[in-house]
Amino acid sequence: NAGVTQTPKFRVLKTGQSMTLLCAQDMNHEYMYWYRQDPGMGLRLIHYSVGEGTTAKGEVPDGYNVSRLKKQNFLLGLESAAPSQTSVYFCASNGGATYEQYFGPGTRLTVT
Amino acid sequence: QQQVKQSPQSLIVQKGGIPIINCAYENTAFDYFPWYQQFPGKGPALLIAIRPDVSEKKEGRFTISFNKSAKQFSLHIMDSQPGDSATYFCAASRDQAGTALIFGKGTTLSVSS
Repeated sequence: NAGVTQTPKFRVLKTGQSMTLLCAQDMNHEYMYWYRQDPGMGLRLIHYSVGEGTTAKGEVPDGYNVSRLKKQNFLLGLESAAPSQTSVYFCASNGGATYEQYFGPGTRLTVT
Repeated sequence: QQQVKQSPQSLIVQKGGIPIINCAYENTAFDYFPWYQQFPGKGPALLIAIRPDVSEKKEGRFTISFNKSAKQFSLHIMDSQPGDSATYFCAASRDQAGTALIFGKGTTLSVSS
């Protein structure tokens, strides 16, 4: 039982490049979330999903797209990376009777 | 608009001290209030959570105090240890499955030995 895993752990992009961050959970959770964490800003919700095939915008969705084609996976895409998207990205999931969100280990992204 | 305000931003205490971290929320629809603990290089993990039908909840050395009328809640760490050094986030949401959490900006706690 790996919980929530994120791929990759680190990435450096040049401005304008694109990439996809993968989140996978093996707890059969219905709900999945993408957050970004910046110094002094806490965790801010980018997008979330309440089930397979559904997505919704969070607090800071601009510049990101997401897809939830399979229940266990939640993908976060950056179509044209900008330096302002330099951050640590966390995926989380929960479901069933628990409201506790289980977080992955994070992806540290630097855009130069 | 910051819906959950957390203070202080950083805190230094000696081993055995009782650090207190405070949070205030604005949305009266919030009725689930968790605290998350994050160590460097790791994802946040749930520490303790409270719902507004109780004014206090204890789990080991960690206590949440909740004041519904003031829309405030706080985390107390009894007999703090160097291993408690971490960043702590308060959060709030509606008590409904699939509802996203609104996080405070975090408090970095350092416990010196």
